[in-house]
Amino acid sequence: GAGVSQTPSNKVTEKGKYVELRCDPISGHTALYWYRQSLGQGPEFLIYFQGTGAADDSGLPNDRFFAVRPEGSVSTLKIQRTERGDSAVYLCASSRGSGSYEQYFGPGTRLTVT
Amino acid sequence: AQTVTQSQPEMSVQEAETVTLSCTYDTSENNYYLFWYKQPPSRQMILVIRQEAYKQQNATENRFSVNFQKAAKSFSLKISDSQLGDTAMYFCAFGAQGGSEKLVFGKGTKLTVNP
Repeated sequence: GAGVSQTPSNKVTEKGKYVELRCDPISGHTALYWYRQSLGQGPEFLIYFQGTGAADDSGLPNDRFFAVRPEGSVSTLKIQRTERGDSAVYLCASSRGSGSYEQYFGPGTRLTVT
Repeated sequence: AQTVTQSQPEMSVQEAETVTLSCTYDTSENNYYLFWYKQPPSRQMILVIRQEAYKQQNATENRFSVNFQKAAKSFSLKISDSQLGDTAMYFCAFGAQGGSEKLVFGKGTKLTVNP
């Protein structure tokens, strides 16, 4: 079946603007994760959804970052008042749920803040 | 908090030879999983192999195998018969059992397979 998809593939925005990044998980996967990967680094956890609720948002760097998953499938990561330091690749992953321990990643969205 | 360390920023190997990538981790958890992910230039993270901490037997997947030393908190990846398509970034990752099961990644090792 289809894998995890993310749109857009690339996003360039100006400092101070608002952006939304979308993730479509694998059908039937109840768990969804967002990670951020800065240049030369491994991915860093941002937030975890189990179904519709954010079960762990301990990785969100500040209150400019917010994510939703209203119907338990598609998720949107929202960044307000973007800063140049937000430039990174944002990765989404999904898994079958608690106890499955295998996360399947999307291709990521490269965000560039100018 | 868990940490994952990959001490080799870059490695190279000749096609058809064997290479070993190193990974160490620090945790106070007793139940956890360890993973190796491959990230080619396309950015897609691909799961290569996983190891359950409670299993003593080292995991293998075709040309990929691990050497898991729980007491030493070491988890190395061996790639046999290296192929040009193995060229990629390789990330070691830790996932604690229970809770959010979020992954903690190392900084990665850039592997180049030379013809």
